[in-house]
Amino acid sequence: GAGVSQSPSNKVTEKGKDVELRCDPISGHTALYWYRQSLGQGLEFLIYFQGNSAPDKSGLPSDRFSAERTGGSVSTLTIQRTQQEDSAVYLCASSLESRSEQYFGPGTRLTVT
Amino acid sequence: GDSVTQMEGPVTLSEEAFLTINCTYTATGYPSLFWYVQYPGEGLQLLLKATKADDKGSNKGFEATYRKETTSFHLEKGSVQVSDSAVYFCALSDPTGNQFYFGTGTSLTVIP
Repeated sequence: GAGVSQSPSNKVTEKGKDVELRCDPISGHTALYWYRQSLGQGLEFLIYFQGNSAPDKSGLPSDRFSAERTGGSVSTLTIQRTQQEDSAVYLCASSLESRSEQYFGPGTRLTVT
Repeated sequence: GDSVTQMEGPVTLSEEAFLTINCTYTATGYPSLFWYVQYPGEGLQLLLKATKADDKGSNKGFEATYRKETTSFHLEKGSVQVSDSAVYFCALSDPTGNQFYFGTGTSLTVIP
């Protein structure tokens, strides 16, 4: 079946602009995660959604970052007033339930100029 | 808090050499443990997993054993190939929380 998809694959934006990154998880997966991967770094957890529960936002680096998940499926990560340090690959993953293996999307490479 | 520590890279090996990438963890309770691999230009994909102590995960010639007594999950392969060149991430899933914890990744390059 279809895997996790993300769009856009690449995004170049000017400092101070807002961006929206989209994630389509695997159908039926109740858990959805966002991570950030900076050059040469590991994965930094950002936010986690599980079913209809309140999301775990403990990894969001600042109040410029927010995310929502509509209808328990598609998720959007929004970064307001982008800064150059926001440049990274943003990865989305979904899993059938929490604790089970995650399936990753190809990522969105964000470049803030 | 929970965490994963893995061997720093980069690692460069000749083809057919033996590979070990060390991974140790800190967790409350009984986590599940995973190795993910990221091939050049591709997304992360699950390589293998183990869900309880003494379990051995294996795939594509790689294996790792969940060692509770040493809190380790070292990745091994007896004979690496050029196609194994990738970045390898150790991860744990905490049974008491919602998060996955990833190591910083170990870059492996296999030369012919």
